[in-house]
Order: sequence, then structure tokens, then C-alpha cells
Amino acid sequence: EAQVTQNPRYLITVTGKKLTVTCSQNMNHEYMSWYRQDPGLGLRQIYYSMNVEVTDKGDVPEGYKVSRKEKRNFPLILESPSPNQTSLYFCASSLSRPDYNEQFFGPGTRLTVL
Amino acid sequence: DAKTTQPPSMDCAEGRAANLPCNHSTISGNEYVYWYRQIHSQGPQYIIHGLKNNETNEMASLIITEDRKSSTLILPHATLRDTAVYYCIAPTTDTSGTYKYIFGTGTRLKVLA
Repeated sequence: EAQVTQNPRYLITVTGKKLTVTCSQNMNHEYMSWYRQDPGLGLRQIYYSMNVEVTDKGDVPEGYKVSRKEKRNFPLILESPSPNQTSLYFCASSLSRPDYNEQFFGPGTRLTVL
Repeated sequence: DAKTTQPPSMDCAEGRAANLPCNHSTISGNEYVYWYRQIHSQGPQYIIHGLKNNETNEMASLIITEDRKSSTLILPHATLRDTAVYYCIAPTTDTSGTYKYIFGTGTRLKVLA
């Protein structure tokens, strides 16, 4: 089944403890992206990647890192999480550039930073 | 950036057509209009997209005005399972080549039994 998977689905952590949220897609998509969703603000893009070893900042990249060493995986790294990063996170992928192709979204990761 | 404007909420009776409007008056000639929906806190789901012509698929129809400044998503026979937040997006690329995919806050559609 074609899908985007994220792990973990739920995470409670403490300020400053490094964490990684994994994202994987099995559709051989070139483009992958991370979003966060907060009440009243819709989805905001954090980082995206057009292909392996090519990443770029979205609208809210501060406090996050990403890497794209393989085409299928696009992990989101929080080196020193803070409470303002408590949010619902979504990973997405598309065949190529997202203005010409639909995006497929993962199920989401709900992160709480205490 | 081609920003979009949608009403914050709408109600629709079950079995009737749901017509969700979207204004995108700053859209440029080569920018598509995309529609997604999000049920509860699940990942957004693609519905349909179009450039100039009206489009239809198994989920919905998309009507784009001739001047492309607005569009309407039509769910022909809304069911309770169509209750969701619907997002209209006009993806764009800024002068530095960065893709902009702005979801906004969408329209919360409630289908009533």
C-alpha cells in the first residue's frame, strides 16, 4: 500500500532532550516536507526536500533540523526541544514539485514538550 | 504569493450539494488551485486540483472562474463523513525558488443529518 509513515505517533518529552521524528514513504517520491499544525494557525511548513541531499527552509524552520540521505526517509530532528514546539507534526511527500503534484500526508505525530 | 481566502465555517444538509468558495485574486497564470481536506486531526487528504478548466473526479468537482480569481469546490451529495476542514491552496514559487504551500485555516464544513 502506498503510504507515508511517521514514528512515533505520540511523544511526551522534556525541554532540552534531543529527539527525532522519522518519516518514510514507499512511493519513490522526490519531494518531502514537514509541517506543524497549531490551533488557529493551520499547517505551516517547517522544511522541505526536493531530492536526496537537497533541503530547504520553509516558513518556520527555527529549532528544527532535517536530513535527506535516502530518497524514502526524511527525519525531523529537534536538537533541544522547547515547550513552544509542542504541536501536531505532519510529514508529506509528492512525486516531484508540489505545485504540480498532489501531496500525500502521514498520520501525524503529536509532540508535547514539558 | 497567491494567498487564498475562505469562509471559516459552513453547514450543509446531508444529501445536498456542498459548495465551498475560495478567493485567490492574486493567483498568477501558471499557478494551480489545490483542495485538501482534514478530518479531525488526521493527515490532510488531497481532493482535486485545477488550472483553468473545471475538473471532476470521484470525490468532487472544481469550478474555476474565467478570470481565475476564485473557485468553488462542490461535493455533490454530502454525507456525514464529509464533515472536515477544507483547505484551498494556490502553491507558488517565490523569487528565490522556494516553494510556498500555504494552507491557511480553511473552511470547517459540518454536514448535518
